[in-house]
Amino acid sequence: GAGVSQSPSNKVTEKGKDVELRCDPISGHTALYWYRQSLGQGLEFLIYFQGNSAPDKSGLPSDRFSAERTGGSVSTLTIQRTQQEDSAVYLCASSLSGTSTDTQYFGPGTRLTVL
Amino acid sequence: AQSVTQLDSQVPVFEEAPVELRCNYSSSVSVYLFWYVQYPNQGLQLLLKYLSGSTLVKGINGFEAEFNKSQTSFHLRKPSVHISDTAEYFCAVSDFTSGTYKYIFGTGTRLKVLA
Repeated sequence: GAGVSQSPSNKVTEKGKDVELRCDPISGHTALYWYRQSLGQGLEFLIYFQGNSAPDKSGLPSDRFSAERTGGSVSTLTIQRTQQEDSAVYLCASSLSGTSTDTQYFGPGTRLTVL
Repeated sequence: AQSVTQLDSQVPVFEEAPVELRCNYSSSVSVYLFWYVQYPNQGLQLLLKYLSGSTLVKGINGFEAEFNKSQTSFHLRKPSVHISDTAEYFCAVSDFTSGTYKYIFGTGTRLKVLA
């Protein structure tokens, strides 16, 4: 596809369960970002990948959150033992090279609801 | 680290009226600024960006923004809005910390265009 895709589009889970969110970036983009969009709080940076490595994990809110990227392409964000405060829209973005002037292209997001 | 302030959480405006959405950023030696739009149930898409050069930047859908270094502002304007402009608008600054060029987003302004 031409754009960034994310799956699932919606995920409802029970408190304490683990969830995996997937992101397919634009082909050829080396940089990949995860953000979290919470109601009334805007977008919050979570983690950045350059290729398969994650030089910046500073935004991950707790050790229940982890992410990986394989083959320089698909990325998975995993949340273990989900809590109600994890409910949000999780957005993935990719950019060509991850420089300051790059445009980031966003996927449609995964809406996570923790009951 | 950079920060971005969007002063208005909601802006109602009548169709064909002009609109200005305000954005202020914290001072830095050099900044790259972006405006993104998020239509209902869609991902973010780039409206325009300021990298250097002319302080008046023109974007898609008739939007423009002016970079004002002395006031550390990057306000978004449109001379005549349409119903289809109803969306949430995010201002972002490119921030370089921890070796990552990531976006720092404002909390968003919800533009509601009224018939």
